[in-house]
This record gives sequence, structure tokens and C-alpha cells, in this order.
Amino acid sequence: NAGVMQNPRHLVRRRGQEARLRCSPMKGHSHVYWYRQLPEEGLKFMVYLQKENIIDESGMPKERFSAEFPKEGPSILRIQQVVRGDSAAYFCASSPMSPGVAGGTDTQYFGPGTRLTVL
Amino acid sequence: GESVGLHLPTLSVQEGDNSIINCAYSNSASDYFIWYKQESGKGPQFIIDIRSNMDKRQGQRVTVLLNKTVKHLSLQIAATQPGDSAVYFCAENLSRTSGTYKYIFGTGTRLKVLA
Repeated sequence: NAGVMQNPRHLVRRRGQEARLRCSPMKGHSHVYWYRQLPEEGLKFMVYLQKENIIDESGMPKERFSAEFPKEGPSILRIQQVVRGDSAAYFCASSPMSPGVAGGTDTQYFGPGTRLTVL
Repeated sequence: GESVGLHLPTLSVQEGDNSIINCAYSNSASDYFIWYKQESGKGPQFIIDIRSNMDKRQGQRVTVLLNKTVKHLSLQIAATQPGDSAVYFCAENLSRTSGTYKYIFGTGTRLKVLA
């Protein structure tokens, strides 16, 4: 059973360009979470999505950042007009059905991350 | 390899000794706690979890202790091995109260196993 997959693993962009990060959740998982990790810090929550719905984007910057999880295909984290401060590791996690549903679980399983470097 | 954190607190232990990594969590309403291991250049790897209605849970070579009175979580690793060298993060979850299931991560502890 393949784990959470993210691509690209490394992404280099110049200031002002767009970055698109992709995440394919584990098979059978319908919940996706994005986190950002800056050097010397722990992971910080950005956004939580279910298929075709953004459930919680309280950790996402209001401008330039957007996320989607379409009915078909991977979840995408999009950063427009990148700046040097966007350089970080971006991790995606997935979980099965909501904990409120029978058989659900709170456990989130993480992908290998995308290291974004903005020049 | 990538350095997750240049100034993380570091715990150095001799191979074969037991390790204890501590974490203070922030919200008394948190009801689920997880320990993750992160090796250089990789994503966090699930180690063990515990719910707030428990105070101890054991896995293979690992034990998690939860003290809700002082909002403290610890991870004990028995017979530490070189492969245990990594950064360890605790995370808390407020799913029952917030309904959003986001994790709040601690700052992490770097474990170095000395041969």
C-alpha cells in the first residue's frame, strides 16, 4: 500500500514565479492536510481539505496561497508570485474518514515533502 | 542532508541506553496526542499515539506517557539504537472541540545516539 506521495521533491523558483505542489493521499484516504516547516521550527498547519471542499484554511496566508482537492487527481497547493520567505518544506498528510464516523481515525500520515527554494 | 532545525534542543544518549524525550503541550482541551520521528530530508513518521482518556501506552520499544495535570507528554525509547537518531516531534489535536482535526506541533527534539 503506497504511502502519501508528493511531487516534486525539490522545487526551485525565482521571485515572482508560481509554485505548484502536488499531493496524492494514501489509498482510501479522503482527507488531506498541508503543513509548512521552516528551518528551526516545527510543522505549522496551513489547510485541511476533503474532496472538492476546503474545511479549514485558518493557517493559510490570505494572499498568494491557495489549495484544492478535486474530485479526481491530487491535491494542489499553489503559491503565486513567490517570495524568498516562502522557502520551506511543505508537507502533505492524509487520513481516512473523519473521526466522527465509525471506523474513523485521527492519525495523519505524512508524505516526504516538497522542498521549495525561492531564489 | 537537510537540517530540520539548527537550534533544536538535543538529547545525546549512548547506544543501548533508554531515551526520554519530553514535550509540553499547549491546550488543555486537546484530546489526542502523537509522536512523530523525522529523519533528515524525510517527512514525519508516525511512532505512537495516545488519547486523553489514557495516561500510558506502550508500543514496540516505545512508551508514551501523558500527564494532563501539567500538560506534559513524554516518549520513552528503550535500548536506543543508531537508527533512532532523528528529530522527534510531539503533536496535539483538538479534533473533538474544534472539529477541524489540525495538529499543533511542538518545536522538536534532536536525538543523537552515540556509538
